[in-house]
Amino acid sequence: DTGVSQNPRHKITKRGQNVTFRCDPISEHNRLYWYRQTLGQGPEFLTYFQNEAQLEKSRLLSDRFSAERPKGSFSTLEIQRTEQGDSAMYLCASSLASGSKDTQYFGPGTRLTVL
Amino acid sequence: GENVEQHPSTLSVQEGDSAVIKCTYSDSASNYFPWYKQELGKRPQLIIDIRSNVGEKKDQRIAVTLNKTAKHFSLHITETQPEDSAVYFCAAYTSGTYKYIFGTGTRLKVLA
Repeated sequence: DTGVSQNPRHKITKRGQNVTFRCDPISEHNRLYWYRQTLGQGPEFLTYFQNEAQLEKSRLLSDRFSAERPKGSFSTLEIQRTEQGDSAMYLCASSLASGSKDTQYFGPGTRLTVL
Repeated sequence: GENVEQHPSTLSVQEGDSAVIKCTYSDSASNYFPWYKQELGKRPQLIIDIRSNVGEKKDQRIAVTLNKTAKHFSLHITETQPEDSAVYFCAAYTSGTYKYIFGTGTRLKVLA
């Protein structure tokens, strides 16, 4: 499978615990995005990377959230001290930037449930 | 902040009829507009896209139109089929910021 992959697909945790999600982008893609999606809403931008550099973080991303892409390939998203409001689908997308077009391809998502 | 409004939020059509979903964006610098289809429990899938230097693009039963002056773009699905039932999201991309802003989605139901 040469598409974007994410692990785990589902995560159930207790409030206050830390969780980490992984995203493996399409191999030649240089941009990687993280989004959060709640029921009935569109994906909300969280952060993105150009190669290994994290270029922007949304104001939605509190200091409990951190993301890395250490070698410009896979990325991890960590949420510390989870809260019930963090329950959502976390989507990763990757793209190969080319001029004005930056077509994104999404992974299957990680569904987080905080009890 | 920048935003994308999408209407309607739900749309029911009879099989064979056409469906139209409309989006309005706020950032005049946006220059690329993809549409995604998301089936229940699955990832968003790109179905069609349009660049800002093009007014219309068609791919079989789906088409997208763009009015840059009004900052509107629309998705048109003709001869709808039950398998078109899904949630559709529009997005606006700005190459200067590398960011996508998504609409809130339209749940399309095609009734057999």
